[in-house]
Amino acid sequence: GAVVSQHPSRVICKSGTSVKIECRSLDFQATTMFWYRQFPKQSLMLMATSNEGSKATYEQGVEKDKFLINHASLTLSTLTVTSAHPEDSSFYICSASFQGASYEQYFGPGTRLTVT
Amino acid sequence: AQSVAQPEDQVNVAEGNPLTVKCTYSVSGNPYLFWYVQYPNRGLQFLLKYITGDNLVKGSYGFEAEFNKSQTSFHLKKPSALVSDSALYFCAVRDLNYQLIWGAGTKLIIKP
Repeated sequence: GAVVSQHPSRVICKSGTSVKIECRSLDFQATTMFWYRQFPKQSLMLMATSNEGSKATYEQGVEKDKFLINHASLTLSTLTVTSAHPEDSSFYICSASFQGASYEQYFGPGTRLTVT
Repeated sequence: AQSVAQPEDQVNVAEGNPLTVKCTYSVSGNPYLFWYVQYPNRGLQFLLKYITGDNLVKGSYGFEAEFNKSQTSFHLKKPSALVSDSALYFCAVRDLNYQLIWGAGTKLIIKP
């Protein structure tokens, strides 16, 4: 149980275009979803936290207009990287949690974004 | 401020030997501690957690961790390492906002 999927697993886009990454909880209702960014050989950096039906809370230094997060339902959150630049290339990971989960986050497999 | 430290960037262990990956923490109140493992180009997999109760926590793939309140540590251990255990290991602590504060990660290399 508690499976989280991400789509796509890999994406290559041209500079200036936008790309959307989906995060789905497959067998539970996720009251909270988290988006992380991970640089090579580094730890996870929390970008934002989103609760279903409300605006995401962004961490300091994360541009909310560049990284649009939508948590439209209890099973789906999307991260849209707008006007992507090569420096946005990274590994993006989502996680989800639900009430009664003993504070545990369930992670998706990640999305490798490459901006050319 | 709450924080997590993993003092070793890399740990090398021979297959069959016991392994330890260190983690220390600093939190306000009771700590909720986690270990995750990440294989190359993959997301994170949950290994184990400590919320309350027995200080020795058993988790997935034969791993265990010992919570030591006086030393504020939560070291990950396994009695006999496998080559397939080679991966990146992260320690994390939950903060008051239910977010996870992450250690920098420790690369574990198991040599045959």
